Amino acid sequence: SQKIEQNSEALNIQEGKTATLTCNYTNYSPAYLQWYRQDPGRGPVFLLLIRENEKEKRKERLKVTFDTTLKQSLFHITASQPADSATYLCALGNTPLVFGKGTRLSVIA
Amino acid sequence: DVKVTQSSRYLVKRTGEKVFLECVQDMDHENMFWYRQDPGLGLRLIYFSYDVKMKEKGDIPEGYSVSREKKERFSLILESASTNQTSMYLCASSFSQKVGGNTIYFGEGSWLTVV
Repeated sequence: SQKIEQNSEALNIQEGKTATLTCNYTNYSPAYLQWYRQDPGRGPVFLLLIRENEKEKRKERLKVTFDTTLKQSLFHITASQPADSATYLCALGNTPLVFGKGTRLSVIA
Repeated sequence: DVKVTQSSRYLVKRTGEKVFLECVQDMDHENMFWYRQDPGLGLRLIYFSYDVKMKEKGDIPEGYSVSREKKERFSLILESASTNQTSMYLCASSFSQKVGGNTIYFGEGSWLTVV
């Protein structure tokens, strides 16, 4: 069955550093991969989508890579700020999306 | 901006009660979804719908049903609420699957406590 794993449940980093979150998947060949942000008590919000033929996508301080050979996506936040603290979810596929369990990022001032 | 509105933010219901969670989207999306989210289990799909009066079971449909009488509205029904249905429920919507790589838009969530 399809499986998505996000490398860690929680990640703590210092303000100003680059946060790197990992999403691995098995038994799946998605054409698209998406990243969402979820704040406590709120619904997830879409951040970025990357297609299988795109190696990298950027949006402001965010960067996503997609390696279909490794079956892995990396999500980077550069110059991280305390306001970036949230849970980040990766999601695969088309409809319906399959979500990972998320990584809770804490950026410490 | 896309808006997905869930009618109730917080509910407390008794075991055995019939519970209705309502969701409305304002972007003419074909697809609508109901997820529940629990600590350590992530987002789990309960039901989804590709069109009016159409529904498909997700990963955990037991104990739930849905209704989609109008395109913009998707209701989740707990026929007889049980304590193990205490959770945060998230409604979401997206454009048709014919368009690839659809992002989905979530509501703010409904926190249901069954006592």
